[in-house]
Amino acid sequence: TQLLEQSPQFLSIQEGENLTVYCNSSSVFSSLQWYRQEPGEGPVLLVTVVTGGEVKKLKRLTFQFGDARKDSSLHITAAQPGDTGLYLCAGAPSNTGKLIFGQGTTLQVKP
Amino acid sequence: DAGVTQSPTHLIKTRGQQVTLRCSPKSGHDTVSWYQQALGQGPQFIFQYYEEEERQRGNFPDRFSGHQYPNYSSELNVNALLLGDSALYLCASSLGDRGQNYGYTFGSGTRLTVV
Repeated sequence: TQLLEQSPQFLSIQEGENLTVYCNSSSVFSSLQWYRQEPGEGPVLLVTVVTGGEVKKLKRLTFQFGDARKDSSLHITAAQPGDTGLYLCAGAPSNTGKLIFGQGTTLQVKP
Repeated sequence: DAGVTQSPTHLIKTRGQQVTLRCSPKSGHDTVSWYQQALGQGPQFIFQYYEEEERQRGNFPDRFSGHQYPNYSSELNVNALLLGDSALYLCASSLGDRGQNYGYTFGSGTRLTVV
């Protein structure tokens, strides 16, 4: 069974701080996707990484895919209250149509 | 450009009943996947429909079934509801198999409560 473990599960920080969320697995994925979910809404895609070692930046968010395509990280610089939400990583096993989600990281950024 | 539309938004059912949830994919998308998200957890894959056929299935019992129509819209049916079926049911759409490399568009979900 392929699993994705996210850490930490909960994070409460002050505005302006930096943070990193980790997503780890013992399995190889063809791609790793990061989503953010607000209460009462569905997940919204932030980024997809497909190449081992790939780094993508989205404003203050930096995403990295591990060289072996088994893990990923999300780094937020100078967090803002608007970054508050549930961050989900999701792996796509090769040649399947499904996503395997981590359990999520709840981020609270206090003003 | 309309995103993924799900109905109803909320639903309360009694144990043992049957329920049907509906999903219209994003314009231009032809593949629909369904996920179950329990409170405080990440979504779990139920199944995926493409060309009106179930293409992939997760670890869910046969009480969970689906359908896709020629216009790409989809339904999720759950029979003999259990209390443990209470969850947010999410529909996600993509174009063919591009979701794997380009991501999926999710709807806002249907919150099902079984009492």
